[in-house]
Amino acid sequence: EVQLVESGGGLVQPGGSLRLSCAASGFIFGTFAMSWVRQAPGKGLEWVSTISGSGGGTFYADSVKGRLTLSRDNSKNTLYLQMNSLRGDDTAVYYCAADGAYGSGWFGYWGQGTLVTVSS
Amino acid sequence: EIVLTQSPATLSLSPGERATLSCRASQSVSSYLAWYQQKPGQAPRLLIYDASNRATGIPARFSGSGSGTDFTLTISSLEPEDFAVYFCQQRSNWPLTFGGGTRVEI
Repeated sequence: EVQLVESGGGLVQPGGSLRLSCAASGFIFGTFAMSWVRQAPGKGLEWVSTISGSGGGTFYADSVKGRLTLSRDNSKNTLYLQMNSLRGDDTAVYYCAADGAYGSGWFGYWGQGTLVTVSS
Repeated sequence: EIVLTQSPATLSLSPGERATLSCRASQSVSSYLAWYQQKPGQAPRLLIYDASNRATGIPARFSGSGSGTDFTLTISSLEPEDFAVYFCQQRSNWPLTFGGGTRVEI
């Protein structure tokens, strides 16, 4: 069974940093592209970033480019999102997602989410 | 950026009725469109990918159609557990984008 478990969320001041992690199990981690999708309170879904299975390719939404960095450690089956220079509009539940066998760009599997609150 | 517009924003129906949800893209996305269901307090769940393919374990009452710029998600006969918010998403171009969602309520 595919499982994705996020951690690392919490309260951080504007301008601060946070690192999110996503521990994966139940599949061969390096074969799937991985992404983060966020959802501000009461709002819709926003794609944040995607990394290829090998880690050789990364893509970012313009709203986070230069501030958030996505990486993965395939030996540890773990995805990371380093978040710097955080702003109030980064406040959201952050979901880790895997494309699965459906193809790159689809979010076939999701974690339960971790809440990031940016506030003074 | 490809903008996805979902309509209606809210759909008020009863169990057993047919639900028809629309997603319109600002430019062609070919068949690279997916649908997700989200219930309160839960992560989204993939229902349909590549416009018309059901994901594993998704009941046959869910079907997707369309190509280019106009897409439809149909729930043939609503079950109580189908009342939720539905999002469409495209993977034709970066950045990946989602529609604003349609709430299906009783």
